[in-house]
This record gives sequence, C-alpha cells and structure tokens, in this order.
Amino acid sequence: GEDVEQSLFLSVREGDSSVINCTYTDSSSTYLYWYKQEPGAGLQLLTYIFSNMDMKQDQRLTVLLNKKDKHLSLRIADTQTGDSAIYFCAESMDSNYQLIWGAGTKLIIKP
Amino acid sequence: DAMVIQNPRYQVTQFGKPVTLSCSQTLNHNVMYWYQQKSSQAPKLLFHYYDKDFNNEADTPDNFQSRRPNTSFCFLDIRSPGLGDAAMYLCATSRDRDYNEQFFGPGTRLTVL
Repeated sequence: GEDVEQSLFLSVREGDSSVINCTYTDSSSTYLYWYKQEPGAGLQLLTYIFSNMDMKQDQRLTVLLNKKDKHLSLRIADTQTGDSAIYFCAESMDSNYQLIWGAGTKLIIKP
Repeated sequence: DAMVIQNPRYQVTQFGKPVTLSCSQTLNHNVMYWYQQKSSQAPKLLFHYYDKDFNNEADTPDNFQSRRPNTSFCFLDIRSPGLGDAAMYLCATSRDRDYNEQFFGPGTRLTVL
C-alpha cells in the first residue's frame, strides 16, 4: 500500500537553512504537498508540487522532487523562530480523493 | 477573507455524553472533510461529503456521524464519546474531489472526562 515516511525531529540554528525530507512509495502520485502545523492549530498548506516538476521555489521555501528515488524535500532558508512547527508531507493521486500523510517532522529552532 | 471556521475551538464533554462539533466555510467548496488527529500523529480521515453525498471511511467507528445541511456547514456528531475519542478534530474543504488541495480550519480540541 501507499506509505509516506518522514524523520520525526529536525533541529537547526536560527538563521540556518532547514531541510525536511520525505519519501513515498507510490509512483503514481500526482501532487505532493507540504503542510505546516503550529502547536494547537490546524494545518496550513505551505506549498505543493506537481509530479512532473523537479523544483518549485516560493520566497524562502524550495521544494525538490526526485521521482526516481521517490524523495521530496522542503528547504526553508534563513530559518526563523516562527518556523517552529510540525511539517507534514502528503501525497495524492488523480484517482483518489484521499491524501496519504507522513507522520510529520517537528522542526526545533535553536537560538 | 475566505476561510474554514470551526466552533468551538475547545470542547469538554463527559464520557458517553453526545457532542456536536461545527464547521463552516466561505470558500464555496464542494467537498468537506472531517479528520481526527491524536497527539504527534498524522490526521486520520473519518469521512467526507462530496456535495450532499456522504462517504464514510471503512474504519470509522459507528459512534461518529456527520451532517451537511447546506454547502457552507458540516457537523460532526459523536454519539457516545469514549476516553479514546479525545483528540483534535479538523475540518477541511477542497474545491472538488479530484482537486486535492485541502484547506483546513483551526481545529476543535475535544476533551472527554
């Protein structure tokens, strides 16, 4: 079945770049998403990438997709304290309304 | 601003006492979803409405029901809450079922005493 995996924690220093990684198993994924969840809050869609793209950049965020290795990453440049949150990777397929979620990576910012 | 609104943000109920959580949206989206999220876990889809068509996930307990009286509103009813139902309940919408970008509300934190 489909599976999405992420590391549970990532710790970075304020001002450095954060790279959050995600691997998925289903090669028929159409879209891959990154959601951000701050403590006690809902999920905020940060960005998404269509499966025929390799890269997408949006201000401080860069998404890289390696379809061959089924690997997705989210890079946050100049990480700030406001970036502290849990980041969820999710995939979807044309034929299925469901999102398949990773377990989330908690980003911890050190001063 | 177009958005997804959930009320209340925090709900406390007693074991076995029915509770209703509310979601409304101003996005005019066709699809509304209810998720359950327990601490440090990914959201788990309970069911969704595609317009008026209700779709239950196979492993959603019968204790959970939903109503969608109109496009804007959707309710989650928990008939007899157990201690294991304490969680964050998230409502989300998407424009259509084959358009998977989902927009989430802030969630309702349910406590069961």
